[in-house]
Amino acid sequence: QQQVKQSPQSLIVQKGGISIINCAYENTAFDYFPWYQQFPGKGPALLIAIRPDVSEKKEGRFTISFNKSAKQFSLHIMDSQPGDSATYFCAASFSGFQKLVFGTGTRLLVSP
Amino acid sequence: NAGVMQNPRHLVRRRGQEARLRCSPMKGHSHVYWYRQLPEEGLKFMVYLQKENIIDESGMPKERFSAEFPKEGPSILRIQQVVRGDSAAYFCASSPNDRGGQYFGPGTRLTVT
Repeated sequence: QQQVKQSPQSLIVQKGGISIINCAYENTAFDYFPWYQQFPGKGPALLIAIRPDVSEKKEGRFTISFNKSAKQFSLHIMDSQPGDSATYFCAASFSGFQKLVFGTGTRLLVSP
Repeated sequence: NAGVMQNPRHLVRRRGQEARLRCSPMKGHSHVYWYRQLPEEGLKFMVYLQKENIIDESGMPKERFSAEFPKEGPSILRIQQVVRGDSAAYFCASSPNDRGGQYFGPGTRLTVT
């Protein structure tokens, strides 16, 4: 019930293309959904986050789409660049219990 | 504005020794979280602390592991009598309150030989 399922495990996108990573959750008490970007040997960096009262949030080239009824959310990276090549993690938490439950990660490679 | 700081960045311990990992949260942040990441896996929550209090330790093994966040100084994750299975990257995160985003440090990579 506290799992967050992430797909795909790996993704190759051409430069300039759109990268799409999907996550699904079971626990409807989750109310905070962040995405993190991690480069090898580094800590995860908070990219963008959404709460269930909105269906979409955009920051620069990064957009989160949120479907509350389907219990799914996704990260879209527009105009993907080689510098975006990293591992991306979705996560979820619920109010009062701040621990983040992470997905298993998606390794993105943007080819030049 | 310095981010979350962790030290050491790399730590090698022999089986049976103790490992101490330190975390200094971002300035103004009083909430600290510890996560463990095994190779090629996602992060797993271990413990959530506020100053001088453990709020949630549901992800921490009951034996050999302990955490503290004293009134003064960094948060410390302590692993006693380390075993090979403890080899992992340990990340600390901090937030300004219990509804804000969590910001991660660079991690401590523990290797048990």
